[in-house]
Amino acid sequence: ETGVTQSPTHLIKTRGQQVTLRCSSQSGHNTVSWYQQALGQGPQFIFQYYREEENGRGNFPPRFSGLQFPNYSSELNVNALELDDSALYLCASSLPGNTYGYTFGSGTRLTVV
Amino acid sequence: GESVGLHLPTLSVQEGDNSIINCAYSNSASDYFIWYKQESGKGPQFIIDIRSNMDKRQGQRVTVLLNKTVKHLSLQIAATQPGDSAVYFCAEGSGNNRLAFGKGNQVVVIP
Repeated sequence: ETGVTQSPTHLIKTRGQQVTLRCSSQSGHNTVSWYQQALGQGPQFIFQYYREEENGRGNFPPRFSGLQFPNYSSELNVNALELDDSALYLCASSLPGNTYGYTFGSGTRLTVV
Repeated sequence: GESVGLHLPTLSVQEGDNSIINCAYSNSASDYFIWYKQESGKGPQFIIDIRSNMDKRQGQRVTVLLNKTVKHLSLQIAATQPGDSAVYFCAEGSGNNRLAFGKGNQVVVIP
């Protein structure tokens, strides 16, 4: 059984650019959540996807958007990058009906310069 | 790997001693609490959870205590080992499909 995999592991973008981060959920997990973790902070909830629909959103602007695909994998897109978007972006998947039973990936470290 | 625990409260503990990590939570409606361990360069790893209708739960070498009166959560690690060195986060859930994480505590185990 594979866990949650995220790609890329690191990337550097310039302010104003757009970025797409990818996540493959753990086998059998149909719910994917995305979190942003700034350096020295706890993760902050961005949004969750279930059955290819957004199923809850945290306090993030609309330039943060996502997708979930029929195979349950997911993308996080961030437009018009700002310096404060520099963070570790974590994807977590969970089983149906087990909302908090997250398995986290190792994250994508995004640096905006 | 990159440091997760930059400028976090740090607990230094001698190998073999017990560790206690504390967390104050904010939402009195939270009904589910989890402790996570995060090592450098990795995502959070589940340690133990507790529901709001309990005040204590034990796992292997770990115990979580919940005091709803003062909205306080603690994690006790028995016989701390070098592999326990990490940042520890408490997280609370209130039935809205998301977890709210605390700021984290760094544990450094001294051999």
